[in-house]
Formats: sequence, C-alpha cells, structure tokens
Amino acid sequence: DIQMTQSPSSLSASVGDRVTITCRASQSISSYLNWYQQKPGKAPKLLIYGASTLQSGVPSRFSGSASGTDFTLTISSLQPEDFATYYCQQSYSTLKTFGQGTKLEIK
Amino acid sequence: QVQLQESGPGLVKPSETLSLTCTVSGDSISSPYWTWIRQPPGKGLEWIGYYYYSGSANYNPSLKSRVTISIDTSKNQFSLKLTSVTAADTAVYYCAREASVPGSLAFDYWGQGTLVTVSS
Repeated sequence: DIQMTQSPSSLSASVGDRVTITCRASQSISSYLNWYQQKPGKAPKLLIYGASTLQSGVPSRFSGSASGTDFTLTISSLQPEDFATYYCQQSYSTLKTFGQGTKLEIK
Repeated sequence: QVQLQESGPGLVKPSETLSLTCTVSGDSISSPYWTWIRQPPGKGLEWIGYYYYSGSANYNPSLKSRVTISIDTSKNQFSLKLTSVTAADTAVYYCAREASVPGSLAFDYWGQGTLVTVSS
C-alpha cells in the first residue's frame, strides 16, 4: 500500500492567515495527488487534482504544489468558510489511499 | 449535473450482510469508475473498491473477502454488499464517481453519505 502522511494533524489559524498543509507519499506517485475539503456532516469536496489543478468553482486562494513525494496545499488568505478538515489522496495505485486528515480550526 | 444518492438500511446486525445502493443521475453508469468509500465516526476515509464499466471490480485487500460491488445498468445504480459485518464496519458509507482528469484520477462527485450502524 502507498501510505499518505499528512501534517499537521490539526492547525489553529485566524481569518486572513496563510496556511500550508503537507502530504508525503511513501513512494513516487507522480502527480496522482488530490486534495479534498470536508465539513462536518458533509461529503468530501474535490479541491485540487493532479497535485496542482484547481477543480472548477474552487476559489483561487487554494493552490497545490509538488516536490518529489511531498505535496502541499496552501490557502493564501483564510476565509471563515475554509475551516474544515482537509484530506490528501493518491490515485497512482489501484488501491486508493487517503491521508489521515488535517483539521483546520479557528484560533 | 451529476448526482449520487445512497440508500439502504441504517442498522445491520453483527454477522449479517450490509447492502447499499447508489442511484446515479446526470451520468451513465456505463462510464468508469463507480466507487464506495467509508468513514468510521470521527475517523478518516477508507476506499472500499470500485466497479469498472468493462465488468471488472477492484477491492481494498483488507475487505476483499467480504465485499462485492455490482452495477444495474437498467436502473443506473451500483451496489455494495459487505458480508459478516462487525462493529468495526460501523461508518458513513459514501458512493462516488472516480473520473479521469488531467494528470490524475479523482473523486469528483459524491453522494451525501449514509450512516450504517452495526449493532444487535
């Protein structure tokens, strides 16, 4: 299995802050890395696919980047609606795996 | 607009079979890949498996001996069966579409999820 390790597990930040969440794959996954946002009681929502491509309708304050097996989700200026849990997911392998999640909370 | 809707019992007894159906609208079930994902309360996401329109399925090895995913093209639905359930199978179950996107495959449409509790 390809293990996906996210950090941090939780994060407190304020509206307007710049936030970065990291995801590391246990082996090379090329650009087969996606990011999802999940709010309580809701299904996850696709934010970014292919490591850096913004899904249609997602605000431009979200961005993704990659360096080898390290991937980063950045929110440039936090908005109140961004407080949620974020998951990375690899689709390189037939066995899809997710990171453990990063809970973004209001400071 | 693609929409997915899960349906099925919210309570299943231990050792019995969990059965869920996902009804798809806005897309043909004859396109790849139709997927089940689950999330135990307060925990992360676990991929269960998918059905590929060519007629093949692929499952998480941790569940493979107990899982079957199938499709009903006449109803534009796909289904999940999980046998011999225990309390560890209590989770919100999501159906999702996995689409080919530039540089990846991604779950772009999800159902709202349905909580299945395993308890006597």
